Amino acid sequence: AQSVTQLGSHVSVSEGALVLLRCNYSSSVPPYLFWYVQYPNQGLQLLLKYTTGATLVKGINGFEAEFKKSETSFHLTKPSAHMSDAAEYFCAVSGDAGGTSYGKLTFGQGTILTVHP
Amino acid sequence: KAGVTQTPRYLIKTRGQQVTLSCSPISGHRSVSWYQQTPGQGLQFLFEYFSETQRNKGNFPGRFSGRQFSNSRSEMNVSTLELGDSALYLCASSLGWAGGYGYTFGSGTRLTVV
Repeated sequence: AQSVTQLGSHVSVSEGALVLLRCNYSSSVPPYLFWYVQYPNQGLQLLLKYTTGATLVKGINGFEAEFKKSETSFHLTKPSAHMSDAAEYFCAVSGDAGGTSYGKLTFGQGTILTVHP
Repeated sequence: KAGVTQTPRYLIKTRGQQVTLSCSPISGHRSVSWYQQTPGQGLQFLFEYFSETQRNKGNFPGRFSGRQFSNSRSEMNVSTLELGDSALYLCASSLGWAGGYGYTFGSGTRLTVV
């Protein structure tokens, strides 16, 4: 079974400060990892994904994440926070094609990011 | 190109009624999945369809069902609504399997059961 743990349900930063949102996963198969963002009353927007290859993944809006297999982590970072980054962020994992998690994303509980002026 | 379209955006139903939600995927996407989002349980997987076949199902009672049509459009149905079914229902589409392509989500249908 796969699972995702996001450390910290709320993170608050000042505008211009580093954003760090933590995600740890559990998977018995090579994982495929995603970060999504959700703005109020909207659906989920894909920020970035890790499938294979380079472990440092760059996404939209200046976000990036690093896959660390030894730490089973996939933390999301952004060097300088902007007011428009305030939203809820979800880490998700999917398993290999043909496995029991076929076609399924398992999400963490989400982290609400607040950006102060 | 057009994104994932879900209709209606908002819905109010009474306990015991049934409801049907619709999802039109991105053109060319053959995989459609559904998720329920609530403040208490977060995002939970309902089911996934590919080329009209249900490939995977989450841990929900039989009152929750779905189907996919030959044009990849999908519907989900909830019968005998309960207050706890109040949630944001999200549809997502993909070219293939989630790991390889990821999913593009719609804006959701907000269901309120009174």
